[in-house]
Amino acid sequence: GIQVEQSPPDLILQEGANSTLRCNFSDSVNNLQWFHQNPWGQLINLFYIPSGTKQNGRLSATTVATERYSLLYISSSQTTDSGVYFCAAQRTYSSASKIIFGSGTRLSIRP
Amino acid sequence: EAGVTQFPSHSVIEKGQTVTLRCDPISGHDNLYWYRRVMGKEIKFLLHFVKESKQDESGMPNNRFLAERTGGTYSTLKVQPAELEDSGVYFCASSPVGGMSSYNEQFFGPGTRLTVL
Repeated sequence: GIQVEQSPPDLILQEGANSTLRCNFSDSVNNLQWFHQNPWGQLINLFYIPSGTKQNGRLSATTVATERYSLLYISSSQTTDSGVYFCAAQRTYSSASKIIFGSGTRLSIRP
Repeated sequence: EAGVTQFPSHSVIEKGQTVTLRCDPISGHDNLYWYRRVMGKEIKFLLHFVKESKQDESGMPNNRFLAERTGGTYSTLKVQPAELEDSGVYFCASSPVGGMSSYNEQFFGPGTRLTVL
């Protein structure tokens, strides 16, 4: 099956800093999603981005499908950005099937 | 349009008891998935329904877990009897009918936090 790896595993930043989270995947994908698990355990959909670039406020994501990686950018971090960020991928030619999650990046924003 | 909803949001039970989790997918979504994150580890796939049929249940950990989706609408996940290692957050997701790349996005519910004492 497809392998999904995230880096770094942990990231501690001061409020206001920018951050880049990386997701590498081992095979071609037709689904790549980013999620934020907040301190209450809820999983928040951030981006559906199998290719290209999307932006939503202070967050943006870029997936370079040919090189098998995706990046999540967080600008001007706030304490509410803390939590675990997951990427998940679904292998091409496996439509409507399970997505495989990476192990996550734990982000801590200090005031 | 309402998103995926899950009930309860939090459940605390004792070892050996039974718990039933419920998931209501987005209306019209034929695909329904269950995932879980236990012991702070990775989020793992449990099973996948297409309408009322189990398409893939390769992630179900053992026979203490039973999932149903009667009528192809909402789904329940029963744990009987619950063990300590079942503690974690259980997520449900749904997606429309597959076949087009734009329909591959899975929409996740807020999760049910299960604590087994």
